[in-house]
Amino acid sequence: GAVVSQHPSRVICKSGTSVKIECRSLDFQATTMFWYRQFPKKSLMLMATSNEGSKATYEQGVEKDKFLINHASLTLSTLTVTSAHPEDSSFYICSARDLDGEAFFGQGTRLTVV
Amino acid sequence: SQQGEEDPQALSIQEGENATMNCSYKTSINNLQWYRQNSGRGLVHLILIRSNEREKHSGRLRVTLDTSKKSSSLLITASRAADTASYFCATAYTGTASKLTFGTGTRLQVTL
Repeated sequence: GAVVSQHPSRVICKSGTSVKIECRSLDFQATTMFWYRQFPKKSLMLMATSNEGSKATYEQGVEKDKFLINHASLTLSTLTVTSAHPEDSSFYICSARDLDGEAFFGQGTRLTVV
Repeated sequence: SQQGEEDPQALSIQEGENATMNCSYKTSINNLQWYRQNSGRGLVHLILIRSNEREKHSGRLRVTLDTSKKSSSLLITASRAADTASYFCATAYTGTASKLTFGTGTRLQVTL
């Protein structure tokens, strides 16, 4: 099956700094990628839909200026958590959709803000 | 919120038994997918069932879909300890360009 690589898998950062998470589709082109956030023992909550070459579509309640999304190519989307705070600590997961509509997920990034 | 509900929230069974998880959703869908997640890891796609399908099999997995009741079930037969994980259903709603909405998940524990 298709492979989506997410990097880094774990990151610890200080409050006030920014963190960038990368999501790459390794063997297929993805015009659409999705970013999710997951709290411990909870489900995945969609944060935004990332569209190649255009602005991301954010879900209600998600701060656009806080979570910057860039989808500059058909194989790469990035999520930057700006001015991170401890409440931003979470598990972030990306997914990429192939031409058949099937979604493949990255391995996730555990972000800890101290 | 369009988030679906899954039940049970947690399920503990012994190896060799069957495990059944249910998922309910709210509006018309294009398809419904089941995923597995090991603790702290990414999601693994298990099976996709389209809105015009009623049942699908993949190895020890059997998925049913009842669009009139807006529900789906995942059956894992002859469970193994390695099946221990969280299982999520995800729905692609009509007109949302394949945006997936995840259910609340079922934590399955299979003991020896």
